[in-house]
Amino acid sequence: AQSVTQLGSHVSVSEGALVLLRCNYSSSVPPYLFWYVQYPNQGLQLLLKYTSAATLVKGINGFEAEFKKSETSFHLTKPSAHMSDAAEYFCAVSERTGFQKLVFGTGTRLLVSP
Amino acid sequence: EAGVTQSPTHLIKTRGQQATLRCSPISGHTSVYWYQQALGLGLQFLLWYDEGEERNRGNFPPRFSGRQFPNYSSELNVNALELEDSALYLCASSLGHKNTEAFFGQGTRLTVV
Repeated sequence: AQSVTQLGSHVSVSEGALVLLRCNYSSSVPPYLFWYVQYPNQGLQLLLKYTSAATLVKGINGFEAEFKKSETSFHLTKPSAHMSDAAEYFCAVSERTGFQKLVFGTGTRLLVSP
Repeated sequence: EAGVTQSPTHLIKTRGQQATLRCSPISGHTSVYWYQQALGLGLQFLLWYDEGEERNRGNFPPRFSGRQFPNYSSELNVNALELEDSALYLCASSLGHKNTEAFFGQGTRLTVV
């Protein structure tokens, strides 16, 4: 069964600092991987996805993530945090054979201080 | 183009009652997914409908049910409500199960008192 582990339920950074949110997956075959962001009282918005093309994936709002098969990781980064980045971030995995459902990690709340 | 829309935004029910949540997918999308986001439990997959049929179901009791209509909109019904059913219910849609991207609605906040 697929699963996703997000290390750190809360991550605090200063505005302008590097953002690094960690995600490790467990799957028998390389899956599809996603990062979603959720602002308070909102639904989920797709930041980026990995579906087997380039291992370095660029998303919206300056975020990017790198798929590392050897480490079974898909960490999310952003060079310079902005106050508006404060939100909850979810890593998710789905099967490659058919998009039946997403399996989510427990989420990481990003706090950005001035 | 309109995104995934859910109604109502908020719903308050009494324990033992039934709740009905509605979802309209993005135009052209045939797959609809339901997720529950309960405090402390994270995002849990509930149901997947495609072309009017239930295709997959998460680990939830039978009192969680739903359907998909010919226009691909969907309804989630929760019978015999329990306090633990209080959660944000998110609906998502995709072009089909071979598509790799799902778009989420804003959710329905269900509170059971």
